[in-house]
Amino acid sequence: GESVGLHLPTLSVQEGDNSIINCAYSNSASDYFIWYKQESGKGPQFIIDIRSNMDKRQGQRVTVLLNKTVKHLSLQIAATQPGDSAVYFCAENFTGGSYIPTFGRGTSLIVHP
Amino acid sequence: DTGVSQDPRHKITKRGQNVTFRCDPISEHNRLYWYRQTLGQGPEFLTYFQNEAQLEKSRLLSDRFSAERPKGSFSTLEIQRTEQGDSAMYLCASSLSGGQDEAFFGQGTRLTVV
Repeated sequence: GESVGLHLPTLSVQEGDNSIINCAYSNSASDYFIWYKQESGKGPQFIIDIRSNMDKRQGQRVTVLLNKTVKHLSLQIAATQPGDSAVYFCAENFTGGSYIPTFGRGTSLIVHP
Repeated sequence: DTGVSQDPRHKITKRGQNVTFRCDPISEHNRLYWYRQTLGQGPEFLTYFQNEAQLEKSRLLSDRFSAERPKGSFSTLEIQRTEQGDSAMYLCASSLSGGQDEAFFGQGTRLTVV
């Protein structure tokens, strides 16, 4: 079936480096995507979203890229900080027309000081 | 703090007992979602409400689970005759209307069935 998935379960970086977290989706009808950050024991926290009519969107230290041709999303975090350590999920928002955020497994980002 | 609040934050119960969780969404948000999350996995959709109407349930929502949103504001999720496999984090989220609106999550209720 169609699903949202992530390529790498764990990513370790040094403080100050740039991080790139990837996400593949398979539902070609998905038209809205969200990146969430989840710290241990907390609920997912909205980071940034992107609509399918866009290829790129920038926020504060974060950039999301959308490649609809290969159904791929990435989240780039500039100058990664220890406080960025968390699990990152991408969610696609189109499931049978009901627009239910559907999550993949997540990538654990570990930032070493 | 996203504005979505869940109560309790933690619940330990004995197998076979019933438990009820509450979610207060962001006011004026029409949509309310319930998810379940187990260790190492992403949140899994359980059910959602558009105002007071429960519009969709996943296959994860067995007959022992019931959710309500009687006045289109807060929601409750009840699990009857709890089983050890029900141990998980139960997350609530709300969005303005669904579609291309971001969903904001609460901090979750951690259920442990012993």
